[in-house]
Amino acid sequence: GGIITQTPKFLIGQEGQKLTLKCQQNFNHDTMYWYRQDSGKGLRLIYYSITENDLQKGDLSEGYDASREKKSSFSLTVTSAQKNEMAVFLCASSPRDRGYTQYFGPGTRLLVL
Amino acid sequence: QQNVQQSPESLIVPEGARTSLNCTFSDSASQYFWWYRQHSGKAPKALMSIFSNGEKEEGRFTIHLNKASLHFSLHIRDSQPSDSALYLCAVKRTNTGKLTFGDGTVLTVKP
Repeated sequence: GGIITQTPKFLIGQEGQKLTLKCQQNFNHDTMYWYRQDSGKGLRLIYYSITENDLQKGDLSEGYDASREKKSSFSLTVTSAQKNEMAVFLCASSPRDRGYTQYFGPGTRLLVL
Repeated sequence: QQNVQQSPESLIVPEGARTSLNCTFSDSASQYFWWYRQHSGKAPKALMSIFSNGEKEEGRFTIHLNKASLHFSLHIRDSQPSDSALYLCAVKRTNTGKLTFGDGTVLTVKP
């Protein structure tokens, strides 16, 4: 078994602020993902990384940067927080077997004042 | 671009009922299909997957896939209050490709 840890759990920011979210996994999975979830809705892919130092844009990459520093960690930066923005950011990872089923972390809840 | 739609948006059923959730997708080249379940305030967790046309059963859960109709579904037999959650379907074209999620169905099972 393994676990995905996301920090911080809650993040309150100001409009225009640059905010960084971090994700660590100990599954030894190659691929990692960042998703955004708005108020009980579906997940939209922001960035993913197939291996260390690789970055692929998802459907929602505008306004975000990402960094895969090492195999076990994947960071997401909100480049300029938007006023009244509220969402949950979910990190996931997947192995090279079992159809690349994704395993999710508990999420970081963002509120921009 | 893949378009994934789920129906219904929400569903309330009594305990013990059979529940059916639907998912349609737009890319006929899609090959990999999942149902994820997300309890309130928790992380989504993969429930079942299917990679070829037909049916797959695991306990009280059955998944049907009909690629020609661009449709797959999840059926829950003997629904329990603990099944109350947001159910998300997800589709991708290739093994290493992007996973596209639907907006989800909120299921409530009343005791």
